[in-house]
Order: sequence, then structure tokens, then C-alpha cells
Amino acid sequence: AQTVTQSQPEMSVQEAETVTLSCTYDTSESDYYLFWYKQPPSRQMILVIRQEAYKQQNATENRFSVNFQKAAKSFSLKISDSQLGDAAMYFCAYRSGQNSGGSNYKLTFGKGTLLTVNP
Amino acid sequence: NAGVTQTPKFQVLKTGQSMTLQCAQDMNHNSMYWYRQDPGMGLRLIYYSASEGTTDKGEVPNGYNVSRLNKREFSLRLESAAPSQTSVYFCASSENSWYSPLHFGNGTRLTVT
Repeated sequence: AQTVTQSQPEMSVQEAETVTLSCTYDTSESDYYLFWYKQPPSRQMILVIRQEAYKQQNATENRFSVNFQKAAKSFSLKISDSQLGDAAMYFCAYRSGQNSGGSNYKLTFGKGTLLTVNP
Repeated sequence: NAGVTQTPKFQVLKTGQSMTLQCAQDMNHNSMYWYRQDPGMGLRLIYYSASEGTTDKGEVPNGYNVSRLNKREFSLRLESAAPSQTSVYFCASSENSWYSPLHFGNGTRLTVT
């Protein structure tokens, strides 16, 4: 079974600065999908960004971007110009793809990184 | 635009009591999921359903049962609650598409005393 590791239980950043959250995953598959979710104190799970493994170009969504290193099995999330509203728990997640024998669409999540944004 | 609706939002049970967590989605998604979230453990999959009439075990299914009542609804039942089942429970749904994200409900905080 695939495992997702988020090695930083907690991180902090100053408002307007940049922070990078790390995520590594253990897989022998070549076809898969990666996701970052944000969970603010409201408990709502919000999709931040996603990446297809066969696309080498790193995904970007406004201030959020990823550094996808397939060979290193790394999928880090960079938040630029951090805002107070970015304070949340962030989860990295993995999904097996069809060409890897995936037969369903479930996600495997890491344990999360709690991000604090200091004013 | 409701998305995924879970009820109740909070629940306190005594050990041995039973209850059903309800979940409904209005996005016409085929796949639905139940996860539990515990501090320091992330989200772990309890059960999922790829289509109406099918259910499969996830990572932590013991002590739970599910019913995919129709395409919209996917319920989670605790037959005899235990303190180890104290957790936040999330229902989610997705299209049957590899790139499709999961859409989550707002969660149920369950405490078993």
C-alpha cells in the first residue's frame, strides 16, 4: 500500500513571507495523482492544488505552487505572500491511477502539517 | 448549492450505544467515502462505494458498517460504539475520474464516553 509522509507536524511563517511544506510518498507505481488539501479551523476540507504524475510541469494556483520531483517521490507545496487566512492544517494525498491498476478513486492522506501565520 | 451534507454535526454516545451518520451529495457523483480524522493520524479511509449498490472496506473498517442507499446517500453505522471510535468523521464524494478531487462534508464530531 502506498504511504504518504509529511515530516513537518508544525510550521510557522511570517505574513507576506514564503513557506514550503514537504510531502513524500512511497510507491512503485508510475501512474498516480497527488493533491494538497487545506483544513482551516472551521474543519472544512478545501482542495488547494493537484498534480498528475505524468505531467512534468509543476501545478500552480495563484499563490500556491508545487515542486513535484517524481524521481525523489516528493511533492512539496509552496505558499507565497502568506496571508493570515492561510493558517490551517495542510494534508497531502495520493491516488493510484488507472495504468497502475487503480480500480477506485480513494485518496491516501498524510498526517498533516499545521501552518501558523504570524502577523 | 449544498454539495455534501452530513448529519449530525456533533454527537455524544455512551459505550455500547448505536448510531447512524447520514451523508448525502447533490453533485451526481458515483463514488462516496467515509473517513475518520484523529489527531496526529491524518484522515483514514473507513469504507468507500464506487457506485450505487457496491461498498468496499478501507483501511480501518472494524466496528463500522455502511449502506449505499442510492446514488445520493451513503450512511455509516456504529453498532456498538467504543471510546476508540471517538473521532471526527468525514463523508466525501467524487466523480469517477482519476483527476477528480474529493468533495467533503463538514464533518461529524463524535464522542464516545
